[in-house]
Amino acid sequence: AQSVTQLGSHVSVSEGALVLLRCNYSSSVPPYLFWYVQYPNQGLQLLLKYTTGATLVKGINGFEAEFKKSETSFHLTKPSAHMSDAAEYFCAVSFDKLIFGTGTRLQVFP
Amino acid sequence: EAGVAQSPRYKIIEKRQSVAFWCNPISGHATLYWYQQILGQGPKLLIQFQNNGVVDDSQLPKDRFSAERLKGVDSTLKIQPAKLEDSAVYLCASSLTGTSGGKTQYFGPGTRLLVL
Repeated sequence: AQSVTQLGSHVSVSEGALVLLRCNYSSSVPPYLFWYVQYPNQGLQLLLKYTTGATLVKGINGFEAEFKKSETSFHLTKPSAHMSDAAEYFCAVSFDKLIFGTGTRLQVFP
Repeated sequence: EAGVAQSPRYKIIEKRQSVAFWCNPISGHATLYWYQQILGQGPKLLIQFQNNGVVDDSQLPKDRFSAERLKGVDSTLKIQPAKLEDSAVYLCASSLTGTSGGKTQYFGPGTRLLVL
């Protein structure tokens, strides 16, 4: 069965610092992988996804993630955090339906 | 293009009452999904439609939840009777097709339900 683990329910960084949100998946074969962002009182917005091909995936708002099959990971990074990045971030895995992790709340301090 | 529309945005009801949520997907999207997002958790799929047919409703509590998509466009999710544990955000999403797990799903703003 597929599952997703997001390490750290809360992450706090200073504005301008590196953002690293961790995601590990459990699957017998490499699945499709997604990162979604959810701002308060809004739905989910796709940041980026991995389907096939290049393992380093670039998304919107300066975010990127790298698929590492050997580590079954798909961590999300951004070189320099901005105040507007404060939100809830969800990693998800899919073969035929999306299975979400429990989310990581990112706080950005000035 | 217009995004996924949902209404109402907020709903407060008492337990044992009934409630209905409406969703209008992005034009041309054949696949529609309903998710339940309980506070502090990720969204969980309740039901998936392909046009007006049900593809997956394995996690829908069918004793109290029902959903329909009669004309393959709009959809309605109903809860009857509601329980306290149904308090959650109900998200609707749509995609061009649902046959591949790599397809992007576009989410609406959700309906926040509070059951007292």
